[in-house]
Amino acid sequence: DAGVIQSPRHEVTEMGQEVTLRCKPISGHNSLFWYRQTMMRGLELLIYFNNNVPIDDSGMPEDRFSAKMPNASFSTLKIQPSEPRDSAVYFCASSLMNSYFEAFFGQGTRLTVV
Amino acid sequence: SQQGEEDPQALSIQEGENATMNCSYKTSINNLQWYRQNSGRGLVHLILIRSNEREKHSGRLRVTLDTSKKSSSLLITASRAADTASYFCAWVTQGGSEKLVFGKGMKLTVNP
Repeated sequence: DAGVIQSPRHEVTEMGQEVTLRCKPISGHNSLFWYRQTMMRGLELLIYFNNNVPIDDSGMPEDRFSAKMPNASFSTLKIQPSEPRDSAVYFCASSLMNSYFEAFFGQGTRLTVV
Repeated sequence: SQQGEEDPQALSIQEGENATMNCSYKTSINNLQWYRQNSGRGLVHLILIRSNEREKHSGRLRVTLDTSKKSSSLLITASRAADTASYFCAWVTQGGSEKLVFGKGMKLTVNP
């Protein structure tokens, strides 16, 4: 298996623009997580899905952030409009629900908002 | 971090020495896990210990869990330069919507 695939790897955008981050989980995994990593705040859980259904989005910072999982093999995290404080590395991870959430991470998307 | 800390924040040792990293958390947990992150990469799962277990081994890794103190430790024996990375503990919260929450991580440097 190719592992969790995220795209793009790097994104530089101007403040106010819409940003869409993409994730393809490992085939067969039924839980998907979006995390944000910064030096100041560490790894923050933004949202996670079980069987394509959002279970907990309490970590989504504000209404500018939204996430979807239209099917078992694809998820998006959208920021609209983007702000400089959104600059971070965004990770997607997937796991099997019955594996005690042993998570497999993608390589991350480094987002810079200027 | 969202609900816990690793200790120390950074550790520098010589190759061959043992490295011990500690983690504390604040909630009831289902299990606790340790992950490793090399610079610029995603996290890699190392080991998982369930809440009813006290100690677990995997190769050069030994993890302990004390649920009464809400703490865990990761011991890496006979460290190698290739062990240089950031290490994170993470736990699956119990009750309500179970979720995987990470500590802030600590940087381990193993000098050859």
